[in-house]
Amino acid sequence: NAGVTQTPKFQVLKTGQSMTLQCAQDMNHNSMYWYRQDPGMGLRLIYYSASEGTTDKGEVPNGYNVSRLNKREFSLRLESAAPSQTSVYFCASSEAAGSNQPQHFGDGTRLSIL
Amino acid sequence: SQQGEEDPQALSIQEGENATMNCSYKTSINNLQWYRQNSGRGLVHLILIRSNEREKHSGRLRVTLDTSKKSSSLLITASRAADTASYFCATRSNMLTFGGGTRLMVKP
Repeated sequence: NAGVTQTPKFQVLKTGQSMTLQCAQDMNHNSMYWYRQDPGMGLRLIYYSASEGTTDKGEVPNGYNVSRLNKREFSLRLESAAPSQTSVYFCASSEAAGSNQPQHFGDGTRLSIL
Repeated sequence: SQQGEEDPQALSIQEGENATMNCSYKTSINNLQWYRQNSGRGLVHLILIRSNEREKHSGRLRVTLDTSKKSSSLLITASRAADTASYFCATRSNMLTFGGGTRLMVKP
């Protein structure tokens, strides 16, 4: 019963470094999402993929890129990390991008950029 | 931008008491969802209420929705220490938008 798995769980980067956050789901869901969570704030949507082969920008896409590798996997890439990108990143999935679908979340990647 | 705003930001109660959290939002919605987040973990979906529904129950959870006031409440009855967590409302229009959350502490 893995659900949504994110790797790594923790990462420290230096400004300007790049890295890719990995996400995989085993629920055969069509839609996947990347959020960031900052202290005292709710989650903000970075990018989402309504179905395999499609990706769309969310509320805060600047500085990020995504790849929907296949139905199971959706990765988030920081090309040139900045301190403002220090955050907890959550991946989520849902059966479809439709209105009444709850989202299932991974346990997050805690990213610090020095 | 946060569509939903929870109130209070923090709540501390004794085990056995009821906990009420409120959520206000700004624009029209298709549905409103409540999620729980335990410390260091991801969000877990609790309950979804559609815009044409006024009240919904799930176990010890009761959710109400007043679309005329653009507000919702989550009631947890007979709280337990294990209910200690942050609770988020999320409103659905084009995409799911989360509020800043209520941190609930239930003291044993």
